[in-house]
Amino acid sequence: KNQVEQSPQSLIILEGKNCTLQCNYTVSPFSNLRWYKQDTGRGPVSLTIMTFSENTKSNGRYTATLDADTKQSSLHITASQLSDSASYICVVRGNFGNEKLTFGTGTRLTIIP
Amino acid sequence: KAGVTQTPRYLIKTRGQQVTLSCSPISGHRSVSWYQQTPGQGLQFLFEYFSETQRNKGNFPGRFSGRQFSNSRSEMNVSTLELGDSALYLCASSSYDLERDEQFFGPGTRLTVL
Repeated sequence: KNQVEQSPQSLIILEGKNCTLQCNYTVSPFSNLRWYKQDTGRGPVSLTIMTFSENTKSNGRYTATLDADTKQSSLHITASQLSDSASYICVVRGNFGNEKLTFGTGTRLTIIP
Repeated sequence: KAGVTQTPRYLIKTRGQQVTLSCSPISGHRSVSWYQQTPGQGLQFLFEYFSETQRNKGNFPGRFSGRQFSNSRSEMNVSTLELGDSALYLCASSSYDLERDEQFFGPGTRLTVL
């Protein structure tokens, strides 16, 4: 069964600190993995997208890594800001007849001043 | 380029009624996907349309249906509404390049079933 699991479920950190969110998946075969940021009451916004051949991708203070062998990804946020408070969702697309997107349930990140 | 638009933004219905939600994708995008998001379940995939054909379908009952028009605009319909259908319904469009596709989400329609 295709699954995407994220940890932690929620996280609270001080403004200016770094943090890392985790994503483990079982989707196979694998096409790509993306991280989304979703502010409360809004649609998700794409942060990064990586194929199996890419092991790191940055978008400003966000850096995603991918280990396709262990089926793990992480999203590292550097020098957090209050505006980083949101849910972060890991999404995996399968391939070769299994092209559906499988969503993680997200990590709720709260940045406190 | 205009983003994905969804109408209406908010909707209140009662049990047993039906509802139709609309989504206009980004110009040039031919793939439209629909998702249901609830606090307990997160984002759940409903269905995906490409060039007026349903390509993928999630595990939802037949009360949930959709269609896509020749201009790529899409609608989803929920019949015989239940309290549990209260959720944020999100639509996303993409150009559907499997390797590099990126989905762009609309703001969602907040459906409340009383």
